[in-house]
Amino acid sequence: EVQLVESGGGLVQPGGSLRLSCATSGFSFSTYWMTWVRQAPGKGLEWVANINKDESEKYYVDSVEGRFTISRDNAKNALSLEMNSLRVEDTAVYYCTRGDAWHRRWGQGTLVTVSS
Amino acid sequence: DIQMTQSPSTLSASVGDRVTITCRASQSISSWLAWYQQIPGKAPKLLIYKASTLESGVPSRFSGSGSGTEFTLTISSLQPDDFATYYCQQYNSYPRTFGQGTKVEIK
Repeated sequence: EVQLVESGGGLVQPGGSLRLSCATSGFSFSTYWMTWVRQAPGKGLEWVANINKDESEKYYVDSVEGRFTISRDNAKNALSLEMNSLRVEDTAVYYCTRGDAWHRRWGQGTLVTVSS
Repeated sequence: DIQMTQSPSTLSASVGDRVTITCRASQSISSWLAWYQQIPGKAPKLLIYKASTLESGVPSRFSGSGSGTEFTLTISSLQPDDFATYYCQQYNSYPRTFGQGTKVEIK
């Protein structure tokens, strides 16, 4: 069974940092692009960043470029999102998803709250 | 960035109704479009990709059409499980972008 399980969310002050992780199982992780998508409370979906199979390609939405870093560990079947200089507007549920184009598999999400 | 605009934002309908949601792209995206269904508190669920390809396991009452800049998601006969929010997403270019969502409510 394919599983994606996010962790690392929590409450952080503006300007702070947080590292999200996504543990995966049930599929050949190293052969898939991986993506982070977020959803602010009561709002729509926003694509955040993605990464190719060997980390040679990474793409970010403008609003997080330079603050967030996506990475992966193919040996551990894990995806990460390092988030620095967090802003109130980064408050959202962050989903880990499989794939680059359409997204067939999603995690349950982890909530990040940026507030003083 | 490619802007995706869905209409309507909210739709009130009854069980058995035929429902159509429109998604417009700010520039041509060929057929590089996906549709998702989201129930509150849950992760999105893929319904359609490549504009009209039905995801495995998704009921045939769901269908997608369109190309270029205009796309539609149709539910031929609305069922109780279909009351949810629907999103389109383009994957023609980076950054990928979603529509703002269409909430399908019970009339």
